[in-house]
Amino acid sequence: GENVEQHPSTLSVQEGDSAVIKCTYSDSASNYFPWYKQELGKRPQLIIDIRSNVGEKKDQRIAVTLNKTAKHFSLHITETQPEDSAVYFCAASMGAAGNKLTFGGGTRVLVKP
Amino acid sequence: DTEVTQTPKHLVMGMTNKKSLKCEQHMGHRAMYWYKQKAKKPPELMFVYSYEKLSINESVPSRFSPECPNSSLLNLHLHALQPEDSALYLCASSPGGRDEAFFGQGTRLTVV
Repeated sequence: GENVEQHPSTLSVQEGDSAVIKCTYSDSASNYFPWYKQELGKRPQLIIDIRSNVGEKKDQRIAVTLNKTAKHFSLHITETQPEDSAVYFCAASMGAAGNKLTFGGGTRVLVKP
Repeated sequence: DTEVTQTPKHLVMGMTNKKSLKCEQHMGHRAMYWYKQKAKKPPELMFVYSYEKLSINESVPSRFSPECPNSSLLNLHLHALQPEDSALYLCASSPGGRDEAFFGQGTRLTVV
């Protein structure tokens, strides 16, 4: 089955700096890669996703890049703010509703004011 | 309504109790999921229902029994749980033909 590795497990950045989280996946059939943000005691919230026919996607301060050949994808957060502090999870699936999402282990991001 | 709603928010149950978790969405999504999340860990898939039929069971013990009465509702029936089953139980749903999964706020379950 699919295996998703995520690094780093914790990330501390100064407010205004950039944060980068990296994930690798094992199954070349995976074609959908979402990122979730989970604040303490709250639900995981989808913040951005990318499909395998696209190499990069951007939404305001967040962007995701995908390298299908190397089987890795990354989340980039620019101009970090204290409200970006949370746990971020990457995931991979073979797409289509009803498919299994396999999550990475999570990255705890702390943005220091 | 653009949310996945779960009830109850918190549940404490004894090892001999029977209880049920409820999940509801009115977005017309055709896939619904149960995930289990332990502290400081990622969500782990338990069950997937696609078009009201169970399509994936991740070898979950039979003390967890899912049910999908209709396209908007998903239940998880609990019986004879163990203390190690204490966790946050998350429901999610996806639109038909698309793969974005949207999570409910979860039920925090404590088994005593």
